[in-house]
Amino acid sequence: KAGVTQTPRYLIKTRGQQVTLSCSPISGHRSVSWYQQTPGQGLQFLFEYFSETQRNKGNFPGRFSGRQFSNSRSEMNVSTLELGDSALYLCASSIGYGYTFGSGTRLTVV
Amino acid sequence: KNEVEQSPQNLTAQEGEFITINCSYSVGISALHWLQQHPGGGIVSLFMLSSGKKKHGRLIATINIQEKHSSLHITASHPRDSAVYICAVHMDSNYQLIWGAGTKLIIKP
Repeated sequence: KAGVTQTPRYLIKTRGQQVTLSCSPISGHRSVSWYQQTPGQGLQFLFEYFSETQRNKGNFPGRFSGRQFSNSRSEMNVSTLELGDSALYLCASSIGYGYTFGSGTRLTVV
Repeated sequence: KNEVEQSPQNLTAQEGEFITINCSYSVGISALHWLQQHPGGGIVSLFMLSSGKKKHGRLIATINIQEKHSSLHITASHPRDSAVYICAVHMDSNYQLIWGAGTKLIIKP
């Protein structure tokens, strides 16, 4: 079966711009969670969606937002990009306790 | 203090050595994950444990719920085992995963 698909894989944006990342979960998985990974901070939880509703949210500013569609695909949006937003953004789809991760989107803000 | 602590942070060993990575947590959990991340970013789920011990090939994971501690062991280590190993726990109060900082393992030939 297809895995978790994240697009795009790589992205370069300019400070002040906004960006939208996409995550397509494994078929049948209704939960999608997003994580930011930076060399200094490790993996940080952004938010989790379940059946189109945000179920949990990490400690990130309001510039970071997300949504989930009726087909469980999820998007993450970062507005007014800052240099510190450069990171690997990972999403995971889950059912119960079973998690499957995407390959991530590497965002570079210049 | 972090809710999930891993040790060691970095580990370098020779090929063939027995490897142990530890994870201690301070919250009530319903399950614990061990994950592997290779350079380039992809994360692979190795084990999900709620009690006892699981084995997959050369990898063994154990958990002691009373002591709030889990270990990941690698037998007959190989350079391809070089990766970051991450422990993550499901809090039993919500669905959120709490992550450890990871252990960077390097196996030298």
